[in-house]
Amino acid sequence: SSALTQDPAVSVALGQTVRITCQGDSLRVYSVSWYQQRPGQAPKLVIYYNNKRPSGIPDRFSGSNSGNTASLTITGAQAEDEADYYCNSRDSSGKQYVFGTGTKVAVL
Amino acid sequence: EVQLVESGGQLVQPGGSLRLSCVASGFIFSDYWMHWVRQSPGKGLEWVSRINTDGSGTMYADSVEGRFSISRDNAKDTLYLQMDSVRGEDTAVYYCVRDVRDTYSNYWFDSWGQGTLVTVSS
Repeated sequence: SSALTQDPAVSVALGQTVRITCQGDSLRVYSVSWYQQRPGQAPKLVIYYNNKRPSGIPDRFSGSNSGNTASLTITGAQAEDEADYYCNSRDSSGKQYVFGTGTKVAVL
Repeated sequence: EVQLVESGGQLVQPGGSLRLSCVASGFIFSDYWMHWVRQSPGKGLEWVSRINTDGSGTMYADSVEGRFSISRDNAKDTLYLQMDSVRGEDTAVYYCVRDVRDTYSNYWFDSWGQGTLVTVSS
C-alpha cells in the first residue's frame, strides 16, 4: 500500500501556530483524518473528512487537504497539545487503509 | 458512552496462535464497520484489518494477509482477531477501532479502545 509521509518532529512555542503536513498520492482522491496520541494513551480523533472537528475538540485545531498534501494546523498551541499526530486515509488502490508516519509535536 | 474493551493479549511463541477480543458497549455494534490497528513499541500506527457490519466483507494489511482473521459476533457485541503463525514483528499493542462513514464512503475512526499488548518471543 502507498505510504503517507509526515515530518518526524516539529516544535512550537506556547501560544504560537504550528502546521503538520501529510503527503501522499492517494490524498488527491480520498479524504483524510487526523489523530492525536498523547504518551501512554490511545489515539484520539481530532479532524475528520479533511477539515471537520468532532465535538469536544478545541477550535484551535483545523485541517485542509489539497492536491497530494493534507495539513493539520494548531493555532495558539497549548501545553496539552504536545503529542504524536497521525494522518490516515485510503491507499492508492482505495481498498486498504494507511496511516502517516507520524509527527511528534513539542510545545516549548 | 461508547466503550471498546480489548482482551486476550499475552506472551506467545513465534509460530503460535492467539485470539484477541473486543467487547463493545454504548452503541449499536451491528451498525458499524470495525477495525484492528496496531502499534509496535516506540513505533507508529499500522492498520491491520477491517470487517463490515454483518461480517461478510473483510480486508487485511499485506503484512498479516493469510495469517490473521477478523470476525465479529453481533449477538455478543464482540469483535475478534485470530492471529496464527505469529512472528516477532507482530509484537504490538492492538487497538479495536470503530469506523464511522458517510454516504460517500468517506470514513474516520471515531472511537478507540485502550489496547491489548501482544508479545511474540521465545
